Amino acid sequence: QLQLQESGPGLVKPSETLSLTCTVSGGSISSSSYYWGWIRQPPGKGLEWIGSIYYSGSTYYNPSLKSRVTISVDTSKNQFSLKLSSVTAADTAVYYCARVIVGATCVDYWGQGTLVTVSS
Amino acid sequence: QSALTQPASVSGSPGQSITISCTGTSSDVGGYNYVSWYQQHPGKAPKLMIYDVSNRPSGVSNRFSGSKSGNTASLTISGLQAEDEADYYCSSYTSSSTLEVVFGGGTKLTVL
Repeated sequence: QLQLQESGPGLVKPSETLSLTCTVSGGSISSSSYYWGWIRQPPGKGLEWIGSIYYSGSTYYNPSLKSRVTISVDTSKNQFSLKLSSVTAADTAVYYCARVIVGATCVDYWGQGTLVTVSS
Repeated sequence: QSALTQPASVSGSPGQSITISCTGTSSDVGGYNYVSWYQQHPGKAPKLMIYDVSNRPSGVSNRFSGSKSGNTASLTISGLQAEDEADYYCSSYTSSSTLEVVFGGGTKLTVL
């Protein structure tokens, strides 16, 4: 059974960089049938697509966040990562990592989510 | 503001059917058959209920069905049950810029 697990600090100071890693177990991150994404959900609000990465390194970013976002993949560790720079309180959210089906562009597996709070 | 428009809330009694709409544009919902629906209970990660407009993943009840007409997709839940009470989100592939995937704002389903 595939599992995704987010890890990283739960508290980040304003203007600093948020860094999260997603560890994939029970399957290979190098599969050509899937790519890997980050999605966030501010408290009490809806879902927002942050971006995604294919195992080859190709990336797609939400234009509203593109200048601050970097998503990378480490196939040797079966992990992919998110960096979001210059964070503000508006970046406080539950961050989910996810497996996305190529073509269907839908998420069939989600991590449990991790709350990241931006506060001094 | 979300790229896809959903009603903020819908409600229904047990046993009834409800439909949640999801309106986009020709760059997303109307242009591709890549509409998905997710169910999210409080404090939980979303769960995929429908993909490719009308396909159900293995294990999802056949009480859930999806359809699309023009720029509007719909999720119908028949035989409402108390456990269906949750937030529902639609999503679609989009050819707009580098975004790739857009979500709706979410709909709160209340089972009366």
